[in-house]
Amino acid sequence: AQKITQTQPGMFVQEKEAVTLDCTYDTSDPSYGLFWYKQPSSGEMIFLIYQGSYDQQNATEGRYSLNFQKARKSANLVISASQLGDSAMYFCAMREGPGNEKLTFGTGTRLTIIP
Amino acid sequence: EAGVAQSPRYKIIEKRQSVAFWCNPISGHATLYWYQQILGQGPKLLIQFQNNGVVDDSQLPKDRFSAERLKGVDSTLKIQPAKLEDSAVYLCASSLVASGFYNEQFFGPGTRLTVL
Repeated sequence: AQKITQTQPGMFVQEKEAVTLDCTYDTSDPSYGLFWYKQPSSGEMIFLIYQGSYDQQNATEGRYSLNFQKARKSANLVISASQLGDSAMYFCAMREGPGNEKLTFGTGTRLTIIP
Repeated sequence: EAGVAQSPRYKIIEKRQSVAFWCNPISGHATLYWYQQILGQGPKLLIQFQNNGVVDDSQLPKDRFSAERLKGVDSTLKIQPAKLEDSAVYLCASSLVASGFYNEQFFGPGTRLTVL
C-alpha cells in the first residue's frame, strides 16, 4: 500500500484564487509528521509547512495552511490568494515514528497558476 | 547562510560507465541524505549519514551504488556501473540534528543524470 497518496497529477488555478492540494497517508504508528514541499523548475525542494500527529491545531505558515483530518488520514495543503510564482510541483511527505528521519514522499501534484 | 551545494548539475553518461556526485551540506548540519528522484515520482531516500556514519542505507542498491561522507562534512555518491534505470535527479539534503520529530531537511538543487 502507498504510504502517501496524491491523487491530483495536475491542477490549473486562476491567479488570486485559493487552491487545495490533496494528500492522504497510511501509517499505523501513532507518532508521525507530515510535510509539504514545493519543487520549482529549478529542482530544489523547498519546505513549506509541517504538521505533527499530536498537534491540536492545523499548521499555518503565511499563505499556506494544512487541513489536517486525522481520522480520515488526510493532510491537504491550502494555498490562499495564489500567485504566479506558486506554479511548481508540490510533494506531500511523511516521517513515521520518533527518531526516524526518513521521509516518504508522494508522487506530487503539478500546480499551474493562470494569470 | 549558504545552502546545500551539489555538483555537477547535469551529467550525461553511457550505460556501464561510472559517475560520481558531490554534496556539501549546510555548515554545522550533522545529518546528510541522498535521494533519488525518477521522473514523475517523489524523491526516494537512498542513504542517510549522521556525521560520518551510515544510519540508513536500506534502499541503496549496494551492488552498484556507494556513498561516503569523509570527516562528517562533504559527501560523494558513486554509481558503477550505471544502468539506464539510474537516469534520475539525485538530491542531497541536510538537517541540523537527527533527533526530535520536527527536523527540517534542506535540499540542494540536485544533479540530473541521464544514462544513454
